[in-house]
Amino acid sequence: ILNVEQSPQSLHVQEGDSTNFTCSFPSSNFYALHWYRWETAKSPEALFVMTLNGDEKKKGRISATLNTKEGYSYLYIKGSQPEDSATYLCAFGGATNKLIFGTGTLLAVQP
Amino acid sequence: KAGVTQTPRYLIKTRGQQVTLSCSPISGHRSVSWYQQTPGQGLQFLFEYFSETQRNKGNFPGRFSGRQFSNSRSEMNVSTLELGDSALYLCASSLGAGVHTEAFFGQGTRLTVV
Repeated sequence: ILNVEQSPQSLHVQEGDSTNFTCSFPSSNFYALHWYRWETAKSPEALFVMTLNGDEKKKGRISATLNTKEGYSYLYIKGSQPEDSATYLCAFGGATNKLIFGTGTLLAVQP
Repeated sequence: KAGVTQTPRYLIKTRGQQVTLSCSPISGHRSVSWYQQTPGQGLQFLFEYFSETQRNKGNFPGRFSGRQFSNSRSEMNVSTLELGDSALYLCASSLGAGVHTEAFFGQGTRLTVV
């Protein structure tokens, strides 16, 4: 059984804080790693699709790194804003060619 | 550009009934995947369709089935509903098949089985 673990499960930070979360996935048969942001009452929205070991992606204040050899990815948010409050999902794509999602990290940013 | 549209948004059904959910992908997207989310679980992969063919299937019983039409619209059917089928069902469309391309999600259909 392929397991994708995300930590922490939830996080409460103050506006302006920087934060990061972790996604752990199988280190073999790696094809891709996805990050999504899911705001309440909206659709999950893709942040990054990462395919190469050592990949670093950035979109505004959000960035992600990827280590396929040890099976982890970090998502960083610099200077959190209340509008960053959402559940952040990662998904591993391997040899089965299906996306396997973690249960997410729920981020709450207090103004 | 219109996003992924799922209908209906909410549905209440009785045990034993069947249900059909619909997903219209973004124009030009040929891949549609379906996921189930229940409380405490991550999104569970149901199946993926590309150009009217089922490319991949998750570990769900045969009561769950789907199809894709020539215009890439997809339907998912669940027969003989059980209480445990109550969930949010999401579909996602992509330009290409497989896991290398970004998925665009709809807002989901919330199914309640009573």
